[in-house]
Amino acid sequence: DGGITQSPKYLFRKEGQNVTLSCEQNLNHDAMYWYRQDPGQGLRLIYYSQIVNDFQKGDIAEGYSVSREKKESFPLTVTSAQKNPTAFYLCASSATSGGDTDTQYFGPGTRLTVL
Amino acid sequence: GQQLNQSPQSMFIQEGEDVSMNCTSSSIFNTWLWYKQDPGEGPVLLIALYKAGELTSNGRLTAQFGITRKDSFLNISASIPSDVGIYFCAGQLSNTGKLIFGQGTTLQVKP
Repeated sequence: DGGITQSPKYLFRKEGQNVTLSCEQNLNHDAMYWYRQDPGQGLRLIYYSQIVNDFQKGDIAEGYSVSREKKESFPLTVTSAQKNPTAFYLCASSATSGGDTDTQYFGPGTRLTVL
Repeated sequence: GQQLNQSPQSMFIQEGEDVSMNCTSSSIFNTWLWYKQDPGEGPVLLIALYKAGELTSNGRLTAQFGITRKDSFLNISASIPSDVGIYFCAGQLSNTGKLIFGQGTTLQVKP
């Protein structure tokens, strides 16, 4: 079964704690993305990576960090510096980051609640 | 930065009715995508459009890539209860692959 997996589905953390969200894909895609979704809003890009060992900030990178040590994995850390971390987090991947093969496919999401 | 205006924000229709929603932008995109999101799940790709003027169908769904490359619409014919969800348009920037999302259209279908 090919696809994108995110774990866990639901995550609860205390304020001030860092938390890492997992994203794995077995589609052999080069590019991976992290989005944040708030109620009634569209998706906003946090970070993206076009190739292993390289990543770029998206529109709302402050308070987040990522790594891309392996092609299939792109974990997102929500740090204590993120002022309003409670949200639905979505990971996506695409074969490349340009041209007709760059259609993005999404994982099932992780709902993070900071208490 | 680039923005997409998606309308309507929400729709409440009777089963069997046709639905139309659209997205406009001040920016030019090389690709337009339409996704559907069920509550608590990730968006699922419905239709991808790669050429200006392109009209593409997927079952009861039809989408078009505007000639100006600044707009797109999605039509759903003969709606059914499982069409309920949030529909997002997204424009893709060719140089980075980054997606710019509309705010979403929430569709509710009354049986």
